Amino acid sequence: EPEVTQTPSHQVTQMGQEVILRCVPISNHLYFYWYRQILGQKVEFLVSFYNNEISEKSEIFDDQFSVERPDGSNFTLKIRSTKLEDSAMYFCARQRGQGEAFFGQGTRLTVV
Amino acid sequence: AQSVAQPEDQVNVAEGNPLTVKCTYSVSGNPYLFWYVQYPNRGLQFLLKYITGDNLVKGSYGFEAEFNKSQTSFHLKKPSALVSDSALYFCAVRDFSSNTGKLIFGQGTTLQVKP
Repeated sequence: EPEVTQTPSHQVTQMGQEVILRCVPISNHLYFYWYRQILGQKVEFLVSFYNNEISEKSEIFDDQFSVERPDGSNFTLKIRSTKLEDSAMYFCARQRGQGEAFFGQGTRLTVV
Repeated sequence: AQSVAQPEDQVNVAEGNPLTVKCTYSVSGNPYLFWYVQYPNRGLQFLLKYITGDNLVKGSYGFEAEFNKSQTSFHLKKPSALVSDSALYFCAVRDFSSNTGKLIFGQGTTLQVKP
């Protein structure tokens, strides 16, 4: 299975700034996910995206977050106004059916 | 609610010895269980899964896991540990309470294999 590729690998941003995390390329899977891992803590579900729509989102995924597939292949997570507590590793994942999910290498977001 | 617990924050084992990383789960219905490994500054790599069939499942890098329904456990095992196995290990269960099939992860166990 080809890997999921995420860009950038590391991003440092000022508090209050907008960031866009990218997941490219995407194969012909139907389900895509974003997960978050705050340093030293467990991996948490953020949002799932099915058939170009959000199918489920967690409590963490508030109005500051949004997801898109702007050109039909890239899959982006946008944080409109970053907070210090948004500092984490963000993972994109793809899944086909009820099998395993395949994760990207992650983007480390540091909000200063 | 579906949940996964990894009772040990860290497991230390000497190279060549067998290793076990523990995982217990709580789900309604039949569980779909997974193990992932995370090396420093890397993503999550899939190791193995249990969906149905034999209780002992084999995965990548010589790892295996045993599904035990009565004990609601899915412990990860390897007969002979390598120093290169040192990493962070996550147990996960598929959440069927929603229709998206998202994963619910345990808190992770750091495995340290000493030479």
